[in-house]
Amino acid sequence: EVHLAQSGAEVKKPGQSLRISCQGSGYSFSTYWIGWVRQRPGEGLEWMGVIFPVDSDTKYSPSFQGQVTISADTSINTVYLQWNSLKVSDSAMYYCARRDYNGYDDYWGQGTLVTVSS
Amino acid sequence: LVLTQSPGTLSLSPGDRATLSCGASLKINNDYLAWYQQKPGQAPRLIVYGASTRATGIPDRFIGSGSGTDFTLTISRLEAEDFAVYYCQQYGSSPRVFGPGTRVDIK
Repeated sequence: EVHLAQSGAEVKKPGQSLRISCQGSGYSFSTYWIGWVRQRPGEGLEWMGVIFPVDSDTKYSPSFQGQVTISADTSINTVYLQWNSLKVSDSAMYYCARRDYNGYDDYWGQGTLVTVSS
Repeated sequence: LVLTQSPGTLSLSPGDRATLSCGASLKINNDYLAWYQQKPGQAPRLIVYGASTRATGIPDRFIGSGSGTDFTLTISRLEAEDFAVYYCQQYGSSPRVFGPGTRVDIK
């Protein structure tokens, strides 16, 4: 069974760094793209970017280019989303999602809540 | 490419038919349009892909249709578990874009 397990909720201060994770199981991890989606409280879904773990080819939405870094470690079937300097506006739920070979997001992680507050 | 969804909120009763619309500012390549359902406190769930193909395990009361720039998700007879927010997403070009969502709530 395909499963994406995300790391737990985080509370950080503005300016701090953070890396959250998404570990895949139940399928050939390296050969599927995995993406990240942001959802601010009470708002809709925003596509952030995607990575192909086997070669770390990464594509970002223009809105998130330079704001975050997506990376992967195939030895532990894990994809990461990283910030170097968090802002209050980064407070949101973040979901990872597996991209089917045809391009739609077929399996989703449970979400990681990030709260940034001074 | 921008996606719009209408209406913003649909207030219906169990057993009613729900019709949700998704419009694209440009033609979506290969009709690569997906619909997702999201319930409070849960991750989104894939309902339909390729504009009209139901995802695994999705009941046949969910019907996707449309092509080009205009797409529809119809829920033929609403059941209690269908009250949720529905998002359309295009995956025919980069960057991926979601619509703003349609909330289906109980009248």
